[in-house]
Amino acid sequence: GQNIDQPTEMTATEGAIVQINCTYQTSGFNGLFWYQQHAGEAPTFLSYNVLDGLEEKGRFSSFLSRSKGYSYLLLKELQMKDSASYLCAVHNAGNNRKLIWGLGTSLAVNP
Amino acid sequence: GAVVSQHPSWVICKSGTSVKIECRSLDFQATTMFWYRQFPKQSLMLMATSNEGSKATYEQGVEKDKFLINHASLTLSTLTVTSAHPEDSSFYICSARALDRDRGSYQETQYFGPGTRLLVL
Repeated sequence: GQNIDQPTEMTATEGAIVQINCTYQTSGFNGLFWYQQHAGEAPTFLSYNVLDGLEEKGRFSSFLSRSKGYSYLLLKELQMKDSASYLCAVHNAGNNRKLIWGLGTSLAVNP
Repeated sequence: GAVVSQHPSWVICKSGTSVKIECRSLDFQATTMFWYRQFPKQSLMLMATSNEGSKATYEQGVEKDKFLINHASLTLSTLTVTSAHPEDSSFYICSARALDRDRGSYQETQYFGPGTRLLVL
């Protein structure tokens, strides 16, 4: 079956670093996405990994290990505005090329 | 680039009426668009995949006669909630798939519209 796991909630302090993990078991794999969703808003694209390794984009980095079915999103120098839900999604090329979504990790950044 | 708009952003209607939601890709052509529904504090739920010029593919449990999808052009898909009832009240979000150049290869990324809040009284 298709399964994507990520922690339900996380808390961190402003200025700190937080790592949000995502593990997946899917029948097909054509890349992994991370999206950010603020309360009451639609998701916004953060990153895409298709090859193993770390992709860095400003304060956000995303890592992928295909052999382990594992990814993480790393947020540095946390700001209050980073409080949001972070969604992990696997692009399943063989399944109408749709995204398989995790339930999201709600991150609260405290002062 | 890769901007997606949705209209309306808010709609309140009486039970039994139909509501149409439009999703447009503003600066790119989208052969495929997706329609999601999200209830408060829950994750995205894919309702259907909309392909330009063909019938939509609905997810299991989603009534195709109740949620009519039309993808008439490469930049426009519409979702019509027919005979809406209070349990249809939700946050409806569309996304459009775009091809991005990435180091010489193409990645397919879904870009989301801002969503439509539907409240059925």
